[in-house]
Amino acid sequence: KAGVTQTPRYLIKTRGQQVTLSCSPISGHRSVSWYQQTPGQGLQFLFEYFSETQRNKGNFPGRFSGRQFSNSRSEMNVSTLELGDSALYLCASSDDWRPGTQYFGPGTRLLVL
Amino acid sequence: GQQLNQSPQSMFIQEGEDVSMNCTSSSIFNTWLWYKQDPGEGPVLLIALYKAGELTSNGRLTAQFGITRKDSFLNISASIPSDVGIYFCAGSQGAQKLVFGQGTRLTINP
Repeated sequence: KAGVTQTPRYLIKTRGQQVTLSCSPISGHRSVSWYQQTPGQGLQFLFEYFSETQRNKGNFPGRFSGRQFSNSRSEMNVSTLELGDSALYLCASSDDWRPGTQYFGPGTRLLVL
Repeated sequence: GQQLNQSPQSMFIQEGEDVSMNCTSSSIFNTWLWYKQDPGEGPVLLIALYKAGELTSNGRLTAQFGITRKDSFLNISASIPSDVGIYFCAGSQGAQKLVFGQGTRLTINP
């Protein structure tokens, strides 16, 4: 099976702009989670979608949002970008039979200038 | 946010040596996982543990789920150059929401 894919791999934006990142899970996986990774805070959970519904949410401001489509593909959006949003954004998928067993994509590296 | 306490933060070892790292928490977790991350890539799942006391191996890697459900360790035997990277522990309390440790950076001198 193909792994989790994320697009784009790299992105440069300026403060105030918005950005949309895309994630395609492993075929058959219905749970998609998003994480932010920074040198200072490490890996932090953003949110999780299952069957097009947000099922879990982390402690991030409302500027961070997401959605999931009927084919389980997911997008996350960050509005009004801040310098501190520069990070590696990781998507992970799970078949949900084993809660927590997640497989990660390569990530999208976002740089906000 | 919540994080697991992972130690050591970094290790410098000789090729062929064994490696041990661990993760502790003040909270109980139902699942413990160990990931390895190479530069510019996403974490790769190495071992998943689902029951307290469980000991699981994956080649030269062995991991255990602590009896108290508040800790886990990972051992790597006979290290080789491709073991270089950052190792993360992660825990789940039953939902698809992982809490991660700060990572252990492993460097190997050939």
